[in-house]
Amino acid sequence: GENVEQHPSTLSVQEGDSAVIKCTYSDSASNYFPWYKQELGKRPQLIIDIRSNVGEKKDQRIAVTLNKTAKHFSLHITETQPEDSAVYFCAASRSNDYKLSFGAGTTVTVRA
Amino acid sequence: DAGITQSPRHKVTETGTPVTLRCHQTENHRYMYWYRQDPGHGLRLIHYSYGVKDTDKGEVSDGYSVSRSKTEDFLLTLESATSSQTSVYFCAISVRGQTYNEQFFGPGTRLTVL
Repeated sequence: GENVEQHPSTLSVQEGDSAVIKCTYSDSASNYFPWYKQELGKRPQLIIDIRSNVGEKKDQRIAVTLNKTAKHFSLHITETQPEDSAVYFCAASRSNDYKLSFGAGTTVTVRA
Repeated sequence: DAGITQSPRHKVTETGTPVTLRCHQTENHRYMYWYRQDPGHGLRLIHYSYGVKDTDKGEVSDGYSVSRSKTEDFLLTLESATSSQTSVYFCAISVRGQTYNEQFFGPGTRLTVL
């Protein structure tokens, strides 16, 4: 089955700086890659996703990039703010499979 | 919140007792999932359902069973709870939107097995 690895496990950034989280996947047939944000004590929330026919997608201060050849994808947060502090999870799945495989998560702390 | 509720939200139980967690959705989604979340492991799939009475195992299904007798309810049962099953359990549904396989999560159930 699919194996998703996520790095780093923790990330501390100064407010206003950028944060980058990287994930690799093992199944070359995977073509859907969502990112979730989970605040303390809350449910994971879908914040952005990308499909394999797209190399990059942006939504305000967040962007995702995908390199299918290398089987890795990344989340970029620019101009970080205190409310960006959370745990972020990447995931991967195939189009004909409704199951997601998740990375272990990255705890992002934005220092004021 | 995609109309997903979970009950109970918190439960403390003793080793060896049976426990049932309920996930309820109001929007008739076909796919439903149970995950557990533990530090350092992210979200791991326990079981999922693709319709009434249609269920399948995930990666950490040992010690768990599920049932889905109605579209709106997906039950997770721990037949004999163990301390290793202390975790936060999330239910999710899958919605076909602009990109498919979009999963949305319920509020979670914190289970402590003493």
